Parts: sequence; C-alpha cells; structure tokens
Amino acid sequence: EIVLTQSPATLSLSPGESATLSCRASESVSSYLVWYQQKPGQAPRLLIYDATNRATGTPARFSGSGSGTDFTLTISSLEPEDFAVYYCQQRGNWPPPTFGQGTRLEIK
Amino acid sequence: QLLESGGGLVQPGGSLRLSCAASGFTFSSYAMNWVRQAPGKGLEWVSVINDGGGLSYYADSVKGRFTISRDNSKNTVYLQMNSLRAEDTAVYYCAKDLAENVWGSFRFDYWGQGALVTVSS
Repeated sequence: EIVLTQSPATLSLSPGESATLSCRASESVSSYLVWYQQKPGQAPRLLIYDATNRATGTPARFSGSGSGTDFTLTISSLEPEDFAVYYCQQRGNWPPPTFGQGTRLEIK
Repeated sequence: QLLESGGGLVQPGGSLRLSCAASGFTFSSYAMNWVRQAPGKGLEWVSVINDGGGLSYYADSVKGRFTISRDNSKNTVYLQMNSLRAEDTAVYYCAKDLAENVWGSFRFDYWGQGALVTVSS
C-alpha cells in the first residue's frame, strides 16, 4: 500500500499570501495524484486531478504540480474561503487508493 | 446529487446497511465508492463498485465484513456492514467517480453529505 505524507501538518498564513502544500508518496504514482479541499462539517471537494488538472469549478489560483513521488498544491493569493483542510490521494497503485493525512490551512 | 441514509448507532458485532441515492447524472455509467472519516481524522477509502455492478474491491480493514452493491434501476448504491467494530465509527460518504465507463478511475468528483455510523455499546 502506498503511503502519502503531507507537509506541513498545519500552515498558518494571511489572506493574500501564497500557500504551498506538499504531498510525498512512498513510491512512484506517476501523475495519478488528486487533491481535495474539506471545510468543517462538509464533504470533501475535488480540486485537482492527475496532478495538474483543475476540476470543474476550481478557481485558477489553485494549481498542482509534480510527478513520481513529489507533488505540490499551490494556492496563489489566498482568499478567506480557502482556509480548510487539504488532502492528497493517489490512484496510481490500487487497490487501495490512499489518502494523505491532510494539511490544515489556517488563518494567521 | 448524492444522498446517504441508513446511518445510526449500532452495538459491536451488529449490522447496518447504508444507501446512497443518486440523481442528476447517468448513474449506470459511473463507478461508485464509499469513503469514510472517523471523528477528527482523515479520509479512508472503503470500497468501489463498477458501473455495471459486477466488479468490486474493498479495503483490507473491511474485507469480509462489508459488501457493496448497486441497483441501477433505482440509482442507488448500498454498503452492507456486518460484524461492526468500534473502529468502524465514522462518517461514511458515497462518492461518484469522475470518469464515465472507466474502471479504477478513483477521482471522486461528487460526494454525498455523509452518514454517521456509531458503533458502541
């Protein structure tokens, strides 16, 4: 089973700043990496799939990069609604698809 | 839209069946998944069933205890949970696969609101 490690666990930033979230896989998942956003009391929301493709409705300030074992989610110019928990998930080696433990993006 | 039902409180060793009613898309063209989240914890994939209902996979943690099924005539996917344990306590989400008629896509573009399952005596 592939293990995904997200860093940092918590990121404290102010609106308008840029956020960089990392996800590292225990072995290569090619480009089969997905990012979700989850707000309190809500279901996760698909943001980015296959490492770089924005899902329908994902704002352009969200971008994904990486391949193999190292991936990054970048949020340029944070908006108040971006403060949430972000999960990466791999689908390159299944079953099972696995999730990272999450990065909490909080307002500084 | 995905709407789960069937959650609740059950004793250890008991059973529960979750349902997820779908609308707004061609249900029979998409694989469907269950993903769970224990209180205050991260996401864990539980099970998948293909569009036709003939293929399924399970996480090791639930294999042999949970069964996924679907009724395309009712646009509904189910999760039968037997021999429940305290560690099965979680919000259970059904999640639709992004890609039509693809097996193993595992990109979840629509999620239900979740059904809380509590296993406790």
